[in-house]
Amino acid sequence: NAGVMQNPRHLVRRRGQEARLRCSPMKGHSHVYWYRQLPEEGLKFMVYLQKENIIDESGMPKERFSAEFPKEGPSILRIQQVVRGDSAAYFCASSPPGPYTQYFGPGTRLTVL
Amino acid sequence: GESVGLHLPTLSVQEGDNSIINCAYSNSASDYFIWYKQESGKGPQFIIDIRSNMDKRQGQRVTVLLNKTVKHLSLQIAATQPGDSAVYFCAETAQGGSEKLVFGKGTKLTVNP
Repeated sequence: NAGVMQNPRHLVRRRGQEARLRCSPMKGHSHVYWYRQLPEEGLKFMVYLQKENIIDESGMPKERFSAEFPKEGPSILRIQQVVRGDSAAYFCASSPPGPYTQYFGPGTRLTVL
Repeated sequence: GESVGLHLPTLSVQEGDNSIINCAYSNSASDYFIWYKQESGKGPQFIIDIRSNMDKRQGQRVTVLLNKTVKHLSLQIAATQPGDSAVYFCAETAQGGSEKLVFGKGTKLTVNP
């Protein structure tokens, strides 16, 4: 049973470009969460999605950031017009329906030049 | 050795000793708590969880203690091994885990051979 998959593992973008981060949840998991981690810090919640629905986006910046989890395919975290401050590790977690533990993927490390 | 939550972010122990990592949580409404282990360059790995109706839970070589009165959580690792070296995060959530996780800042555990 494969774990949570994220790609790419490393992404380099220049300021002003777009970044697309992908997350495939574990089999049977319909809940996806995105978190951001700066160096030497804990993870900060960004957004919680179920299939075709955004449940909680309270941690996501209002501008330039968007997320989706379509009926088919992976969840996508999209950052438009990236700035240096967007450089971080972005982690995706998934869980089954109901009150279950979230399991994390290996993360995507975004570097903005 | 003992770590006091966010104010002492590093803990160094000798191989074979027991380790205790502490965490103070903030939300009295939190009812589900998780300890994650994060090795360098990797995503958080689930270690053990506990719900608010319990005070103690044991796993293999790990024990989590929960004191709701003072909003304190601890992780005990028995017979610490070099492979236990990592950053350990506590995380809290409400509604049994189906909501966003709030992470502590983490404690870096170093095990000396």
